[in-house]
Amino acid sequence: RKEVEQDPGPFNVPEGATVAFNCTYSNSASQSFFWYRQDCRKEPKLLMSVYSSGNEDGRFTAQLNRASQYISLLIRDSKLSDSATYLCVVNGGGNKLVFGAGTILRVKS
Amino acid sequence: DVKVTQSSRYLVKRTGEKVFLECVQDMDHENMFWYRQDPGLGLRLIYFSYDVKMKEKGDIPEGYSVSREKKERFSLILESASTNQTSMYLCASSFRGAQNIQYFGAGTRLSVL
Repeated sequence: RKEVEQDPGPFNVPEGATVAFNCTYSNSASQSFFWYRQDCRKEPKLLMSVYSSGNEDGRFTAQLNRASQYISLLIRDSKLSDSATYLCVVNGGGNKLVFGAGTILRVKS
Repeated sequence: DVKVTQSSRYLVKRTGEKVFLECVQDMDHENMFWYRQDPGLGLRLIYFSYDVKMKEKGDIPEGYSVSREKKERFSLILESASTNQTSMYLCASSFRGAQNIQYFGAGTRLSVL
């Protein structure tokens, strides 16, 4: 079983739609959680951290459910520029991050 | 702006060749990382280094070695390239106290024929 699992998609949505991605992780000792974004043929970049209380950054909301070992990312009012691969990332300890394989989002006009 | 530079964007090598992938960062980061990225598998950690001349194995170190002689430079070495090492290789760096915020280079797409 992979340590971090994501639905690969692709999610094809129209502009203005709300879309949600989920991610599960297997290591219950994991302490920190993140979403990274990777544009086509580009490098991954940190999008946002995920806290137990949930956090919001503009149109993006991230949630963590430790009991279910589940992380989510909600994007409201999708823009064409949101098209990318979204990587769920978990820090299980020390310097190492564990990356999910990513969920592809395509926003269409 | 943090800059992580990988020496080659595309590389084609033959089976059995020794391959060097170079990575340089300009932000005085202590930590540096090498990943490979394959479809459906995501990024997998090969090796990382938290200081000059220090290295730690990641999840898939077999067939690879690394060198960190200077703080800003981290090299990945494929001693004898094989076709199953055809992949996208990504270098990243971070501050010691902020290892969750990793800055990535643009990647090197390596094809081993």
